[in-house]
Amino acid sequence: GQQLNQSPQSMFIQEGEDVSMNCTSSSIFNTWLWYKQEPGEGPVLLIALYKAGELTSNGRLTAQFGITRKDSFLNISASIPSDVGIYFCAGRTPGGWGKLQFGAGTQVVVTP
Amino acid sequence: DAGVIQSPRHEVTEMGQEVTLRCKPISGHNSLFWYRQTMMRGLELLIYFNNNVPIDDSGMPEDRFSAKMPNASFSTLKIQPSEPRDSAVYFCASSPRGGGTGNTIYFGEGSWLTVV
Repeated sequence: GQQLNQSPQSMFIQEGEDVSMNCTSSSIFNTWLWYKQEPGEGPVLLIALYKAGELTSNGRLTAQFGITRKDSFLNISASIPSDVGIYFCAGRTPGGWGKLQFGAGTQVVVTP
Repeated sequence: DAGVIQSPRHEVTEMGQEVTLRCKPISGHNSLFWYRQTMMRGLELLIYFNNNVPIDDSGMPEDRFSAKMPNASFSTLKIQPSEPRDSAVYFCASSPRGGGTGNTIYFGEGSWLTVV
């Protein structure tokens, strides 16, 4: 099961609004990844973060690796209908090989 | 570029039958992961391999589950005998390297298993 606390669990927003979600952990991570999963598909990598304080953008998406190394957030600006899906954070502890821990996901619903 | 390829995409089987799920990782990736996704438990890591060797199988739920990776381009996850509670989406994922910063994981589209 998940060992990350991801919030919010779901969001219902209007097209054009910004979206923000975050993940926190009791463990220090050296990698944070953000994925999006659409119905019937596998998770697709959106943004990868490797350094504390790192701020990375991918189009309208921006994610940051928290300074404490125990948290990360993802922002979506000016949401559009195709942003609908479940967004997962995932983190890896130092020395954890490739083993990722996943958050429970944030379901985003965008209404026109 | 071809991503992680899984088969079958969908399978419906009767309780007690053997189920075999297959995965072809991205070429050049040396780590492979099997995950299970359910509504109740989310994404769970079942097992992962590095250079075809199982590194951690602590997530495999019970002896009915087994996984193999006979070569760098193929892996199987087998459930024998299957039970209704095994119904889930099973994802295979691969990564360029097994450890160290910069390790990102890429998922296949999943095998949707229903055991009736």
